[in-house]
Amino acid sequence: DQQVKQNSPSLSVQEGRISILNCDYTNSMFDYFLWYKKYPAEGPTFLISISSIKDKNEDGRFTVFLNKSAKHLSLHIVPSQPGDSAVYFCAAKNQGGKLIFGQGTELSVKP
Amino acid sequence: DGGITQSPKYLFRKEGQNVTLSCEQNLNHDAMYWYRQDPGQGLRLIYYSQIVNDFQKGDIAEGYSVSREKKESFPLTVTSAQKNPTAFYLCASRGRPEETQYFGPGTRLLVL
Repeated sequence: DQQVKQNSPSLSVQEGRISILNCDYTNSMFDYFLWYKKYPAEGPTFLISISSIKDKNEDGRFTVFLNKSAKHLSLHIVPSQPGDSAVYFCAAKNQGGKLIFGQGTELSVKP
Repeated sequence: DGGITQSPKYLFRKEGQNVTLSCEQNLNHDAMYWYRQDPGQGLRLIYYSQIVNDFQKGDIAEGYSVSREKKESFPLTVTSAQKNPTAFYLCASRGRPEETQYFGPGTRLLVL
C-alpha cells in the first residue's frame, strides 16, 4: 500500500526555467509534508516542509504547495540551476512521527 | 561540529555472515531511524528508536536487528537471515517531534 507516490521517475528542465515536482498521498491524517534532496551515494538533505494547515510555504527559489482536497503537493524550483540536479523525495509525517517516503523523482537541469 | 556519522562508507558481506553498520550522532537527538534505499525506490523504514533502550520494528525489519544502549548510537546488524541485503543504508535522527529528520551520509552494503 503506497501511501505516498511520486509518479514521475524523472524530469528534465532547461536552466532558468521552472521545475515542478509532484507528489500524491492517500492518508488524510498526515500532519506534515517534507521535501528532501539527494545526491548519489549521499544522505538526503532536508529542503523545505509544509504543515497540513497551510497551503503554501516559500523559501528562496523553493516553494511547496499543498492541495488537501486533492491530496497533492508540489515543489516548485524557480529559476532552476544545474546544481539542482538530484533526486527529490517527498515525505509525509504521520502523527507518530514516522516519515513515509515517495519513490523519488530524478531532476536533471540542463545548461 | 554536530552531525550524524555512519561507518563504514562501503561494506562487503560474505554469505552467511552478520555485519554491523554504525550510526552515531552528537545532536542530542532522542529519536533515531534506519532506512534502506534500493534503486528506483523510496526510503523504507527498517527500525526506529524514540528513546534509549527502546526500539520498534519498521516496515521491513525481517533479517535485521538493532540496539540502543546509548543516546548517541544506534547500530544496525544485517543478519544472515536477510536474503537480499545489497542496498544503501541510511541512518537518521530527530530532535523534538515537530522537527524534521536529519540523515547521515549512508553505507553501501554489497554481498560477495
